[in-house]
Amino acid sequence: AAGVIQSPRHLIKEKRETATLKCYPIPRHDTVYWYQQGPGQDPQFLISFYEKMQSDKGSIPDRFSAQQFSDYHSELNMSSLELGDSALYFCASSLEGGVPDTQYFGPGTRLTVL
Amino acid sequence: AQSVTQLDSHVSVSEGTPVLLRCNYSSSYSPSLFWYVQHPNKGLQLLLKYTSAATLVKGINGFEAEFKKSETSFHLTKPSAHMSDAAEYFCVVSASKAGGTSYGKLTFGQGTILTVHP
Repeated sequence: AAGVIQSPRHLIKEKRETATLKCYPIPRHDTVYWYQQGPGQDPQFLISFYEKMQSDKGSIPDRFSAQQFSDYHSELNMSSLELGDSALYFCASSLEGGVPDTQYFGPGTRLTVL
Repeated sequence: AQSVTQLDSHVSVSEGTPVLLRCNYSSSYSPSLFWYVQHPNKGLQLLLKYTSAATLVKGINGFEAEFKKSETSFHLTKPSAHMSDAAEYFCVVSASKAGGTSYGKLTFGQGTILTVHP
């Protein structure tokens, strides 16, 4: 079965640079969530989209923005990168109105800021 | 508001012995509860979920969990540990809106690292 795809899997950036992370949900899933997992930390919710509209917002810095496109894929844009942004970024998808709450996670993008 | 507390940061068992990972939750609404497993440098895999159906939930790889509303607990168990079970386990809560529709955002516990000795 198709899973959530994230690209790139690894990304190395310098401080103050920008980064774009991409997420392709499971086919027919209409909701996408982004989570950030710092070293030794539990994942923290950043933002979510349902039917291309932002549905919820968590602890996402103002330097970050995200959107969901017409094909339901989502992109997380990160600017003015800081050392503390180094983390594993997960995308998850679900089908709103389907099996409630079941989010399927992608493999993550590991971002390293030098 | 919702929160999850995993009572043990590390659990160590011998192969073939039972596993118990403890989780307590707090939620303003009827919660949906999950256990996810994360192997080193890997993504998050869903083990099982509770969504107000049967209180004893069976998951993959022989794991199960029991929802106890009176104790606000959702402990994860397995009768016999296997070496491949060594990983980090997250108890997760998702609050449901009144009326039962998922609110979506997941709140993770701090994680329990399970070590399995030969």
